[in-house]
Amino acid sequence: DTGVSQNPRHKITKRGQNVTFRCDPISEHNRLYWYRQTLGQGPEFLTYFQNEAQLEKSRLLSDRFSAERPKGSFSTLEIQRTEQGDSAMYLCASSPQNRNIQYFGAGTRLSVL
Amino acid sequence: GESVGLHLPTLSVQEGDNSIINCAYSNSASDYFIWYKQESGKGPQFIIDIRSNMDKRQGQRVTVLLNKTVKHLSLQIAATQPGDSAVYFCAEIINNAGNMLTFGGGTRLMVKP
Repeated sequence: DTGVSQNPRHKITKRGQNVTFRCDPISEHNRLYWYRQTLGQGPEFLTYFQNEAQLEKSRLLSDRFSAERPKGSFSTLEIQRTEQGDSAMYLCASSPQNRNIQYFGAGTRLSVL
Repeated sequence: GESVGLHLPTLSVQEGDNSIINCAYSNSASDYFIWYKQESGKGPQFIIDIRSNMDKRQGQRVTVLLNKTVKHLSLQIAATQPGDSAVYFCAEIINNAGNMLTFGGGTRLMVKP
């Protein structure tokens, strides 16, 4: 499968715990994006990378959210001290240089108890 | 599978009929638009895109129309099939806003056999 891969698919955690999600983009796509989607809504942009550089992070929901892409390939999204309101689907997408089409993974569903 | 959207506007069509899904946008600086299809438990899947310098673009069984005067976008699906049942989102990229996709609220398409 050469699409965007996200792991885990589901994560259940207790309030206050830290969680980390991984995204492997389509190979050769140098741009990688993170979105959050709640039920009944369209995805909401969080942050994006071009290679290893994080070019936009002002939309991260709070300072508990952080993302990395250290080698310009896979990326991780971390949420510290999770809250029940963090429960959502976290989607990753990638796109090639100079193209606007973003290809999405299947997402990680987070449930905070 | 989980429901993508519980309280979305719903369009119900008979198999074989044509479907038209509408989307309004508000930012006149939007210069690129994408339609995505999302099935339960999956990430958004690219369908078709259009740039703001175009009025119409056709794909396989799908056509996107853009009316910049009234800031309206539509997706037409010819000969709708049961496999077309999903939630459809329009998304836009606003000029000079990086590569952030801004999604609309989505429409659920239900195809009756």
